[in-house]
Amino acid sequence: EAQVTQNPRYLITVTGKKLTVTCSQNMNHEYMSWYRQDPGLGLRQIYYSMNVEVTDKGDVPEGYKVSRKEKRNFPLILESPSPNQTSLYFCASSLSVGGKETQYFGPGTRLLVL
Amino acid sequence: GIQVEQSPPDLILQEGANSTLRCNFSDSVNNLQWFHQNPWGQLINLFYIPSGTKQNGRLSATTVATERYSLLYISSSQTTDSGVYFCAVISNSGYALNFGKGTSLLVTP
Repeated sequence: EAQVTQNPRYLITVTGKKLTVTCSQNMNHEYMSWYRQDPGLGLRQIYYSMNVEVTDKGDVPEGYKVSRKEKRNFPLILESPSPNQTSLYFCASSLSVGGKETQYFGPGTRLLVL
Repeated sequence: GIQVEQSPPDLILQEGANSTLRCNFSDSVNNLQWFHQNPWGQLINLFYIPSGTKQNGRLSATTVATERYSLLYISSSQTTDSGVYFCAVISNSGYALNFGKGTSLLVTP
């Protein structure tokens, strides 16, 4: 089944404890990205990647890192999480970069930083 | 950046009723998608529809790109249709999906 998977789905952590949220797609998609969703602010892009080893900042990249070592995986790294990173996170992917394709979203990861 | 406005912000329907949700956008787009966010928070793809009309069961969508709006039609609504419906677009010069604020739909028995 074609899908985008994220792990973990739920995570409670404490300020400063490094964490990684994994994202994987099995559709051989070139483009992958991360969004966060917050009440009143909607969904905003954190980082995106056009292909292996090619990443760039989205609208809200502060406090996050990403890597794209393999085409299928695009982990989101919070090296020193803070409470303002409590949010619902989505990974997304699409076949190509130009925007003219359906973007598929993962199931989301709910993060609470205490 | 491109602006995306959805209306109405909230909608309450009785089961069986029909509804139309609207999405206006401020610039030319490469991509327009409709999503349903269910009560568990999952974003479900409904349509990829930068122009034209599509139908999928009780749902259909129309995008008039030249007039910069899209409509999502829900017919014979069911309680499982409840949730938030988002319109999202990618401008001709961008990569990110820009989401509207959504229409929150509650379908009552």
